[in-house]
Amino acid sequence: EAGVVQSPRYKIIEKKQPVAFWCNPISGHNTLYWYLQNLGQGPELLIRYENEEAVDDSQLPKDRFSAERLKGVDSTLKIQPAELGDSAVYLCASSSTLSRGGNTEAFFGQGTRLTVV
Amino acid sequence: SQQGEEDPQALSIQEGENATMNCSYKTSINNLQWYRQNSGRGLVHLILIRSNEREKHSGRLRVTLDTSKKSSSLLITASRAADTASYFCATVRDSNYQLIWGAGTKLIIKP
Repeated sequence: EAGVVQSPRYKIIEKKQPVAFWCNPISGHNTLYWYLQNLGQGPELLIRYENEEAVDDSQLPKDRFSAERLKGVDSTLKIQPAELGDSAVYLCASSSTLSRGGNTEAFFGQGTRLTVV
Repeated sequence: SQQGEEDPQALSIQEGENATMNCSYKTSINNLQWYRQNSGRGLVHLILIRSNEREKHSGRLRVTLDTSKKSSSLLITASRAADTASYFCATVRDSNYQLIWGAGTKLIIKP
């Protein structure tokens, strides 16, 4: 079974340009996460979906970031316009819900390394 | 917003020694998870321990959970060079199932 697939792996763009990342989660996983990770730090949640509903987007900078998860499967994360400080690794992860609540372990994609110049 | 805090931030030991990393958190949790991340790669799940469990083993890994102290430890026995990586703890909050991450411990195993 394929794991979480993200594309592209690397992206270099000029500031003020738009950029989009794509994620295909593991089949059957209802929870999808987008994280941002800076070098030497832990992942920081941007948005979490339960099926197609965004249940936690409190950390998403909504003035420039947007995300969607159509049909509760694939997801895209967009930045428009990008700023120099957006340079980071963007990670997508998916998990399923435990029968007693909470989630199983999260499975991560390889991430997209974004460089804004 | 990061809830977990790992310590130490960095740990360097000789191959064959045991490595212990700790994680503290702030709120009530449903479960706690440990992950490994090799340089430039994605995170890989190691072990999940539920709030009603106190200890769990998986191969050379041993995880303990003390909910009264809101802390967990990850022990890697008989370390190998391939264990060199960053290790993160993540907690699943009981209230909203939010997955919260610490800043990680960077482990270096010297051959």
